[in-house]
Amino acid sequence: QVQLVQSGTEVKRPGASVKVSCKASGYSFTAYGFSWVRQAPGRGLDWMGWISPHNGNTNYAQNFQGRVTMTRDIFTSTAYLELRSLRSDDTAVYYCARIICGADCHPPDYWGQGTLVTVSS
Amino acid sequence: QSALTQPASVSGSPGQSITISCTGTSSDVGGYNYVSWYQQHPGKAPNLMIFEVSNRPSGVSDRFSGSKSGNTASLTISGLQAEDEADYYCSSFARSSTIFGGGTKLTVL
Repeated sequence: QVQLVQSGTEVKRPGASVKVSCKASGYSFTAYGFSWVRQAPGRGLDWMGWISPHNGNTNYAQNFQGRVTMTRDIFTSTAYLELRSLRSDDTAVYYCARIICGADCHPPDYWGQGTLVTVSS
Repeated sequence: QSALTQPASVSGSPGQSITISCTGTSSDVGGYNYVSWYQQHPGKAPNLMIFEVSNRPSGVSDRFSGSKSGNTASLTISGLQAEDEADYYCSSFARSSTIFGGGTKLTVL
């Protein structure tokens, strides 16, 4: 069965960086991409961008341009999200989610369990 | 890209039917048949309930159905059950991005 298992809770200082991992199993890793979505406490879902299965091409939401990097390691079937210059309003649960991409990428189907990132001085 | 518009809350009694709307534009909901719906219980990850406007993944109850008219997609839940109480989010493909609705809290009275 499809499983996406994310890394554990992170606590960071303002200005620091965080890297969240998402290990996939149960399907062909290179046939699907990943969207990363975050959810601030008590708030809705916020799409951050995606990494396509096609050569690992990325597309980031405008709000995160310049601060975010999405990568993948096909040998370990793991996707990564790095967010830099953290601020207190980056405190959120970060989700990886599997997507299928043709010419463009569709909304996700399977989701990881989420990783809580807390930014606090 | 603005978020899709959903009602903040809906409610219904057990056994009743409810419908949640999701309004976008011709650049997202109205322009593509890539609308999905997710159910999210407190403290849990979202769970896919409907994809490509009206398709149910295996394992999802047939009490859940989706449709679209113009720039508005809808999720209908029939025969409401206590376990349906959750937050529901719509999502659409939108010109090389994905956008979400603001979420709807469903209360089963």
